Amino acid sequence: DAMVIQNPRYQVTQFGKPVTLSCSQTLNHNVMYWYQQKSSQAPKLLFHYYDKDFNNEADTPDNFQSRRPNTSFCFLDIRSPGLGDAAMYLCATSPGGLGANVLTFGAGSRLTVL
Amino acid sequence: AQRVTQPEKLLSVFKGAPVELKCNYSYSGSPELFWYVQYSRQRLQLLLRHISRESIKGFTADLNKGETSFHLKKPFAQEEDSAMYYCALSPNSGNTPLVFGKGTRLSVIA
Repeated sequence: DAMVIQNPRYQVTQFGKPVTLSCSQTLNHNVMYWYQQKSSQAPKLLFHYYDKDFNNEADTPDNFQSRRPNTSFCFLDIRSPGLGDAAMYLCATSPGGLGANVLTFGAGSRLTVL
Repeated sequence: AQRVTQPEKLLSVFKGAPVELKCNYSYSGSPELFWYVQYSRQRLQLLLRHISRESIKGFTADLNKGETSFHLKKPFAQEEDSAMYYCALSPNSGNTPLVFGKGTRLSVIA
């Protein structure tokens, strides 16, 4: 099945130790998104790519970076995780254009920071 | 800035009872509204969008621009409807990303 796959599903890291989360898609969608979701809160958009064009949300901390080496893959790098970065990180894709906001989500990567 | 408000964190109803999950938004233009759902141990997925004007799993939602609302309704709740429901807004139908509400957890009691 065409899917959005996130790895790892669970990531435990130490305070300040860099982490990379990955997302791959077989939908050939133009747009890929990274959301952060903390307990009992709405998913918060960190950034998104429309093809290779990177769009950073104004309030996304500099500690968060992203890479999209090709259509299928997108990475979230957290350079120096703090305790406040513990959350579920959701990757999503959409075709763009008129279907821009019909998102297909991955299962998420849960980050724990010790 | 656009904002989505879901006033209820938790809504419990009995099986067979009507359900209404409230969603209000603030945006001065013509938004596109969505409902996304997350069942237990499953990923977040689209339930319906207002421009489709369709009923999915018995749920409907009507965009009321006068009241800036997009409430989700179902006449007879089923146990399998128990899930987390998120209302979401896009300022236009282009490539502006969604803004999500905080979600409402629906619990349908047998």
